[in-house]
Amino acid sequence: GAGVSQSPSNKVTEKGKDVELRCDPISGHTALYWYRQRLGQGLEFLIYFQGNSAPDKSGLPSDRFSAERTGESVSTLTIQRTQQEDSAVYLCASSLDSRTGNEQFFGPGTRLTVL
Amino acid sequence: GENVEQHPSTLSVQEGDSAVIKCTYSDSASNYFPWYKQELGKRPQLIIDIRSNVGEKKDQRIAVTLNKTAKHFSLHITETQPEDSAVYFCAASIGGNQFYFGTGTSLTVIP
Repeated sequence: GAGVSQSPSNKVTEKGKDVELRCDPISGHTALYWYRQRLGQGLEFLIYFQGNSAPDKSGLPSDRFSAERTGESVSTLTIQRTQQEDSAVYLCASSLDSRTGNEQFFGPGTRLTVL
Repeated sequence: GENVEQHPSTLSVQEGDSAVIKCTYSDSASNYFPWYKQELGKRPQLIIDIRSNVGEKKDQRIAVTLNKTAKHFSLHITETQPEDSAVYFCAASIGGNQFYFGTGTSLTVIP
């Protein structure tokens, strides 16, 4: 079946603008995760959803970052008033259920460049 | 929160030799430890994982060992091949909620 998809694949924006990144998980996966990966670095955990709920938002870097999920499906990560340090690849992953430690399947990522 | 450290950051081996990557974690409650392989420009893909009730797991040329007492786990790749060249990430999780990743190991297999 279809894997995790993300859109857009690339986004170039000007400093101060807001951006929305979208993730479509694998159908039936109740858990969804967002990560940030700066060039040549590891994956920085941002937030996860079990169903439509985000039990812990402490990984979000600042209050400019927010995320939501609806219908236990699509999720959007919103970054307000973007800064140059927000430039990175934003990866989304989904798994069957966050409560049982199942394999995460990653999307292709959205490469965000803030000028 | 959990802190995962990964070593080495880069590793070069001759084709056919073994490669070992080590990770340590800080939170004794972590109980799920996946390893991901990320080729250049591609998404991370799970290659093997281990849970805290198991000390070792093997899948063909890849094995992972876990020492809960010392809070470290290692990835072992035997008979390395050029297609094993990639960045490898370890991660630790408490039951599949937040995942904390290591900083990655860039493995180069020299033909």
